[in-house]
Amino acid sequence: QVQLQESGPGLVRPSETLSLTCSVSGGSMTDDYWTWVRQPPSKGLEWIGYFYDSGRIYYNPSFRSRAAISADTSKNQFSLRLTSVTASDTAVYFCARTLRYFGNTDIWGQGTLVTVSS
Amino acid sequence: QSVLTQPPSASGSPGQSVTISCTGTSSDVGRYNYVSWYQQHPGKAPKLLIFEVSLRHSGVPDRFSGSKSGNTASLTVSGLRAEDEADYYCCSYAGNMNLVFGGGTKLTVL
Repeated sequence: QVQLQESGPGLVRPSETLSLTCSVSGGSMTDDYWTWVRQPPSKGLEWIGYFYDSGRIYYNPSFRSRAAISADTSKNQFSLRLTSVTASDTAVYFCARTLRYFGNTDIWGQGTLVTVSS
Repeated sequence: QSVLTQPPSASGSPGQSVTISCTGTSSDVGRYNYVSWYQQHPGKAPKLLIFEVSLRHSGVPDRFSGSKSGNTASLTVSGLRAEDEADYYCCSYAGNMNLVFGGGTKLTVL
């Protein structure tokens, strides 16, 4: 059974870069879309983007200029970097597996809270 | 501001049915049969309930059903139970390898 676990700093200073890693266990990263979603406190879900098996990466247009998703499939990990963060980037960040490019996100990590504050 | 519009709240008594709407546009919900629904309990990760408008994910009770008409998708929860009290989110494919979520609906079981 595939499981996902996010890791990374819980506090990031304004204007700096947020970096998170998602470790995939119980399966391989082939043939699926590896996804980042975030949820600001008491707000809704927001799709950031996903990485596909062959190295193709797609982003929510709202994040395209600041986000970078990458993967190291040999380590069964994928990562998110978000540059020039502000307080509005404070959120719980989830990594997830999406089965098809059009949705069906069936497995989620538990989420990790990242606070942007000086 | 979310791309898909959901009512902020919905409620029903145990045993009743409740329907939650998700309104998009002809560029997302109206164009593709790729709407999914997620349930999220407080402090937990979302769980996939419905995919491709009306298909139930493995293990999801048949009390949960999905449908779509035009630019609006709907999730119906029948035979409400206390454990159904949660936030519900719709998500649609919006073309060009882009996914969009609704703002979420808080379902209260009275």
